[in-house]
Amino acid sequence: NAGVTQTPKFQVLKTGQSMTLQCAQDMNHNSMYWYRQDPGMGLRLIYYSASEGTTDKGEVPNGYNVSRLNKREFSLRLESAAPSQTSVYFCASSWGRETGNTIYFGEGSWLTVV
Amino acid sequence: SQELEQSPQSLIVQEGKNLTINCTSSKTLYGLYWYKQKYGEGLIFLMMLQKGGEEKSHEKITAKLDEKKQQSSLHITASQPSHAGIYLCGADISGGGADGLTFGKGTHLIIQP
Repeated sequence: NAGVTQTPKFQVLKTGQSMTLQCAQDMNHNSMYWYRQDPGMGLRLIYYSASEGTTDKGEVPNGYNVSRLNKREFSLRLESAAPSQTSVYFCASSWGRETGNTIYFGEGSWLTVV
Repeated sequence: SQELEQSPQSLIVQEGKNLTINCTSSKTLYGLYWYKQKYGEGLIFLMMLQKGGEEKSHEKITAKLDEKKQQSSLHITASQPSHAGIYLCGADISGGGADGLTFGKGTHLIIQP
């Protein structure tokens, strides 16, 4: 039961480096999401993709780019990492945007920017 | 401002006791989701409520959404060590669908043997 798979699980970056977090789901879901989780802030939406071919900004999109590569895959890119982007990143997916669709989460990617 | 307030922030309960976690909003909760997160792991979906007055149960966990659809509670009966973790409520507060959920900051639950 794969569900939502994220890679890498852990990563340490130097300030200014770039990296891409990969996410894939095997549930044939239309919608996919990227969140970040910070102490005292809870989970905040970075970007989402309501369907293949579309992406939209969430609450905290600055410093990030996303690509919905196909229906299964949704990647998050940090072009020039900053210490403020140290966080735990979660990818999630759901059948559709409509309220009532269960949103399933991956296991998280721990990113430290030094 | 925090649009979704969870209380308490942390909770220490003796094994076997009951407990309740609350999730409150000043806005209408069009869809309310409860998740559990074990430390260092991902979010596990527990339940989703949509209708005012709705109540759902799974094993020893019961979730309710009030009639006004502005508050939800999660009740655990006869708590066990396996219930320990962080409980998160997430909600669609825009009414526009799940363009991502707004989350509370979580409730840390510790079960004492």
